[in-house]
Amino acid sequence: GNSVTQMEGPVTLSEEAFLTINCTYTATGYPSLFWYVQYPGEGLQLLLKATKADDKGSNKGFEATYRKETTSFHLEKGSVQVSDSAVYFCALSDMGAGSYQLTFGKGTKLSVIP
Amino acid sequence: DTAVSQTPKYLVTQMGNDKSIKCEQNLGHDTMYWYKQDSKKFLKIMFSYNNKELIINETVPNRFSPKSPDKAHLNLHINSLELGDSAVYFCASSQEARGQNEQYFGPGTRLTVT
Repeated sequence: GNSVTQMEGPVTLSEEAFLTINCTYTATGYPSLFWYVQYPGEGLQLLLKATKADDKGSNKGFEATYRKETTSFHLEKGSVQVSDSAVYFCALSDMGAGSYQLTFGKGTKLSVIP
Repeated sequence: DTAVSQTPKYLVTQMGNDKSIKCEQNLGHDTMYWYKQDSKKFLKIMFSYNNKELIINETVPNRFSPKSPDKAHLNLHINSLELGDSAVYFCASSQEARGQNEQYFGPGTRLTVT
């Protein structure tokens, strides 16, 4: 079956520090990969996505590259801000049971301190 | 303007009661989902509906029943509530024809069973 493993948090960084959140996946097919973000008290929002190998997704200064050889989709940002404090979820989408299904990692809580 | 909306935002009830959570999307999407997020933030899919047909039914208790009166609505009805049902429930939708399964989430309903 499909699965997503991401680094456990919480992660605490100072403002302007470099961020990496590791994510690896297991899938039977050729999945699309996503990073979703959940700000406190809100639902999930799509942060970025990549649909095939070597694609790079980017948004709001965040980047992640679809690495088929290492089955990874690590999230990076060069300089984090306090407003980036949230829970980040890595996810994959693959066809299963007649429909595309999202499988999520367990989430990584990021706290950015001034 | 809200793409995916849920009501109520908070729901506090006693064990044994029956309750419903409503979800509506105005995006014209084909598929809607219900997720359960536990206290550790882990997201697990419960159901999805495509054009009013159930296509994914994970191993959830049959006390939970999704009801879709039309393509824009997917309500979640829960019978005989138990303490372990306390969680945040998220509705989501996607346009499956795109094949990339980007999902749009509602703001969540925090259910507390006492």
